[in-house]
Amino acid sequence: DIQMTQSPSSLSASVGDRVTITCRASQTVSTSLNWFQQKPGKVPNLLISGASTLQSGVPSRFGGSGSGTDFTLTISSLQPEDSATYYCQQSYSSPFTFGPGTKLDVK
Amino acid sequence: DVQLVESGGAVVPPGGSLRLSCAASGFTFDNFAMHWVRQAPGKGLEWVSLISWDGGSTYSPDSMKGRFTISRDNNKHSLYLQMNSLRVEDTAVYYCVKDFGRIGYYSYMDVWGKGTTVTVSS
Repeated sequence: DIQMTQSPSSLSASVGDRVTITCRASQTVSTSLNWFQQKPGKVPNLLISGASTLQSGVPSRFGGSGSGTDFTLTISSLQPEDSATYYCQQSYSSPFTFGPGTKLDVK
Repeated sequence: DVQLVESGGAVVPPGGSLRLSCAASGFTFDNFAMHWVRQAPGKGLEWVSLISWDGGSTYSPDSMKGRFTISRDNNKHSLYLQMNSLRVEDTAVYYCVKDFGRIGYYSYMDVWGKGTTVTVSS
């Protein structure tokens, strides 16, 4: 099975900051890597698919990059509404594992 | 609008069984693979199972094989999850999720239902 790790597990940043979350796979997932945002009490929302494709309606301050085993989610200018937990997930091979999540608090 | 509505969540004793259903609308159901994903209270997301567009291929983690069975009825636009030999650690919100593609591999989950709650407790 492919194990997914994320760092940091939590972080606190200020409005306007640039934030980077890292996701690492235990073996290659090519670019079959997706990012989800989940706000408290809400359903997960797809932000980025295929490592770098921004989904329709997602603000352009979100960006994704990487391939193989190392990936990043970047928020270029943090907004208050970005407080959430962020999960990466690989769709390269079954089981389609999620990372443990990164909890982002916007001060 | 694309909509997924789960049902069937309940409180069941350890060792019990439960069948979850998901009613799909707003898209051509039999063109897309479907997933179940769960989230235990206060925990992260855990992928449970995948079924291809035609039901011909199914996948799940080894820890759930033999206990959980995913199926679909394309005529009824419905997805199901049969859960047997339930354990306390199966307590979670179970989400029905649409995939962007037909097989689920190299793809992504693009639409989520609101979830149904399963509680395994004596």
